[in-house]
Amino acid sequence: KNEVEQSPQNLTAQEGEFITINCSYSVGISALHWLQQHPGGGIVSLFMLSSGKKKHGRLIATINIQEKHSSLHITASHPRDSAVYICAVLGNRSQGNLIFGKGTKLSVKP
Amino acid sequence: DTGVSQNPRHKITKRGQNVTFRCDPISEHNRLYWYRQTLGQGPEFLTYFQNEAQLEKSRLLSDRFSAERPKGSFSTLEIQRTEQGDSAMYLCASSQSRTGSNQPQHFGDGTRLSIL
Repeated sequence: KNEVEQSPQNLTAQEGEFITINCSYSVGISALHWLQQHPGGGIVSLFMLSSGKKKHGRLIATINIQEKHSSLHITASHPRDSAVYICAVLGNRSQGNLIFGKGTKLSVKP
Repeated sequence: DTGVSQNPRHKITKRGQNVTFRCDPISEHNRLYWYRQTLGQGPEFLTYFQNEAQLEKSRLLSDRFSAERPKGSFSTLEIQRTEQGDSAMYLCASSQSRTGSNQPQHFGDGTRLSIL
């Protein structure tokens, strides 16, 4: 079993829909990252959080440390949101290397 | 801030050849990471440096792989005697370590390696 599990693996939505991507992890962590990867490979860091909730524009990330679960929400989705969204955790015994989920491929149709 | 730069963007080579990739981190970042990503999978950790010291290596980093960061700035990742299974995207990231706080990693666009 992977240490970081994401669901769903693939997600297709209509423009304007509210989207939720989930991430569960099995190790103790000091921080959790949500990353966005577009075709071609480049990765952009969206959020880094260790508790509570963060919001940036139409994106919201939440984490529940006790339940070892995080969610990424996209409100009013747009075709330009189409990308792979990756959850990655920094283990609390780690010196810095991230443990990644396999990613959720999101496609938003106009 | 010019971001993390990786070169080349794409590399195609025949099996058995040696390849070298370069990563230039954000200038003030003292930590540099290498990851490998195969198709349909999330990235996997290979190794990381703090300044010029290589502090951790994954078991994925076989003896054909070597990484250096000689002056604590740019880093190179060399793969000797490449194999088909080495085909992947090689990602570099950098961050600034601060005592008591986690800092986000900034990623380059990656080098895509294809072994013929």
